[in-house]
Amino acid sequence: GAGVSQSPSNKVTEKGKDVELRCDPISGHTALYWYRQSLGQGLEFLIYFQGNSAPDKSGLPSDRFSAERTGGSVSTLTIQRTQQEDSAVYLCASSREGNTEAFFGQGTRLTVV
Amino acid sequence: AQKITQTQPGMFVQEKEAVTLDCTYDTSDPSYGLFWYKQPSSGEMIFLIYQGSYDQQNATEGRYSLNFQKARKSANLVISASQLGDSAMYFCAMSFYNQGGKLIFGQGTELSVKP
Repeated sequence: GAGVSQSPSNKVTEKGKDVELRCDPISGHTALYWYRQSLGQGLEFLIYFQGNSAPDKSGLPSDRFSAERTGGSVSTLTIQRTQQEDSAVYLCASSREGNTEAFFGQGTRLTVV
Repeated sequence: AQKITQTQPGMFVQEKEAVTLDCTYDTSDPSYGLFWYKQPSSGEMIFLIYQGSYDQQNATEGRYSLNFQKARKSANLVISASQLGDSAMYFCAMSFYNQGGKLIFGQGTELSVKP
C-alpha cells in the first residue's frame, strides 16, 4: 500500500494476556518508530529502528514491552502481561531516513479490561 | 531538558480567517528540527510542515507557514484562510539530528473552525 499500515485497528484484551501489534511501513523507508498516545501522557516515543543499526529502545516504559523489525520492513510491538495502564493508541511511523518527516499509520487502539 | 510547550489547549477561528497556534521549545542542542502535525478525529497524524534549526527562511507549505523565532525558541504555526476541514488537533514536535529523528511532542491544541 501507499501508506503505513497497522493491524489490528482495535484490540481488546484481558489483563495479563500478551498482545502483538503489527506495523507495515512505507516501502523503501529505512526508519521506523513506535509511539503511544494516551489521555494522561500525550504522545510518547517508544522505540526507533534505523536500517541495520541497533534500535533505540529508550522510550519503552517497562521490560514487558519489546519490538522487533524483520528484514528491515515489518515491525511487531509486543506487550507481555498487559496492564490496564497499557490502554492507549499505539502509533507507528516511518520515514525515508532519520531526521526527515515521518508518516504515521492509523494506529491500533488497545483496551485492556 | 528537551521540551515542547503548547499553551493553547483549545482555539476557535472563524472560517476564512487566519489563526496562529503557539509552540515554544527548550533545548541546548543547536541541531534540531521542528514539525507540525494535524490529527483529525479519524486519528491519523498528518505531516504539515518542517523547519530545520539552521534554515534561514521560514517554512511555508500552501496555507501553512511556520513563524520560526530562534532566539525566542518559538515555532508558531500560521494557518491562513481557515477552512472547516482544518478543525482538528495540532501537535508541535521536535527532533534532534544526533538522535535519529524520534519526535518529542507538545500537548496539542484543538482547533475549531466556525462557519
